[in-house]
Amino acid sequence: DIQMTQSPSFLSASVGDRVTINCKASQNINKYLNWYQQKLGEAPKLLIYNTNNLQTGIPSRFSGSGSGTDYTLTISSLQPEDVATYFCLQHSSRFTFGSGTKLEIK
Amino acid sequence: QVQLKESGPGLVQPSQTLSLTCTVSGFSLTSYHVSWVRQPPGKGLEWMGVIWTGGSTAYNSLLKSRLSISRDISKSQVFLKMNSLQTEDTATYYCASKLGAHYFDYWGQGVMVTVSS
Repeated sequence: DIQMTQSPSFLSASVGDRVTINCKASQNINKYLNWYQQKLGEAPKLLIYNTNNLQTGIPSRFSGSGSGTDYTLTISSLQPEDVATYFCLQHSSRFTFGSGTKLEIK
Repeated sequence: QVQLKESGPGLVQPSQTLSLTCTVSGFSLTSYHVSWVRQPPGKGLEWMGVIWTGGSTAYNSLLKSRLSISRDISKSQVFLKMNSLQTEDTATYYCASKLGAHYFDYWGQGVMVTVSS
């Protein structure tokens, strides 16, 4: 099974900061990597699919990049409403979620 | 309007079997697959398994020996059964699908299950 290592597990940043979250796969996942945002008490919401494609309705301050085994979610200018936990998901071989990154405002 | 909605008992005793139902609306189970994902309190997401449009299934290797996913197409329902429950199985259980073009783009609201005597 493919393992996903997500970092950091916790992140505190100021409004307006650029924020990056990383996921590393245990093998090449050929850009089959999605990112999800989960706010407290809610189901996860798809942000980015296949590494760098923004889901409809998601603000353009969210972006994704990566290839091979290493992937990054970037928030270009952190907003208060971005407080949430973020998860990556590989769908190259079945499905594996990353362990999550809890993002708070400093 | 497409929707997925989980239902089931809120409390299950240790060693017993968990039975959950995901009732879908606005789409057919023969056109879209459905997965189960769970999340222990304060922890991350774990993919449990999927039932594909043709009715075949795939499971997380860590849960495979305890887990069964099935469906009733006429009732638009997907079922999860997991046996030998332990306290570590306490979690919110979600069903999710690929109703747009991307995996896990639609989720149910989730159902909280507590394993306790």
